[in-house]
Amino acid sequence: DTAVSQTPKYLVTQMGNDKSIKCEQNLGHDTMYWYKQDSKKFLKIMFSYNNKELIINETVPNRFSPKSPDKAHLNLHINSLELGDSAVYFCASSRTGTQYFGPGTRLTVL
Amino acid sequence: GQQVMQIPQYQHVQEGEDFTTYCNSSTTLSNIQWYKQRPGGHPVFLIQLVKSGEVKKQKRLTFQFGEAKKNSSLHITATQTTDVGTYFCAGHGSGNTGKLIFGQGTTLQVKP
Repeated sequence: DTAVSQTPKYLVTQMGNDKSIKCEQNLGHDTMYWYKQDSKKFLKIMFSYNNKELIINETVPNRFSPKSPDKAHLNLHINSLELGDSAVYFCASSRTGTQYFGPGTRLTVL
Repeated sequence: GQQVMQIPQYQHVQEGEDFTTYCNSSTTLSNIQWYKQRPGGHPVFLIQLVKSGEVKKQKRLTFQFGEAKKNSSLHITATQTTDVGTYFCAGHGSGNTGKLIFGQGTTLQVKP
């Protein structure tokens, strides 16, 4: 059983398009996150939700909008994609602070 | 804001050699965590250190948390090709808002 799953694994799209990435965790954790990892492997937190409520919102363009329909799901919608959005996006969940990461979604914007 | 710096960025070693990566925070940390990311994979939790001066071992891996709780290190004895990957430290600030700040990572290459 996969603890934290993300779909899709790969996403290739044109500039200006809108896309979504979905994340689900079956660990029963209350807190979920989105991270962005750039080409230099730098991991930066974007958002965090606790029990469906937004608790961390880093300096992220408002083209990025997270949505948590329930505490097991945290989706990320991106509007008007730009070249600089190309990266690997990781979803993670935690209960005690230890992060359990999903497999990642590699987004390529052409 | 809080920063976590990690050095070196890259390290190439011959199999059997030792390896160390260092992590320094600009502020006191409530705890520090270490993660490993294999090439093409996702970060996987290795360990958490909480107490000042704490030392923990996992087989060939030794983790230390500094006395001032502002620095940490990971030492691998006699590296193997399975140790290849990027090692990240990550710290929670003293207030522990839940935000984990990651270091830039150290990518380890091991030549067989």
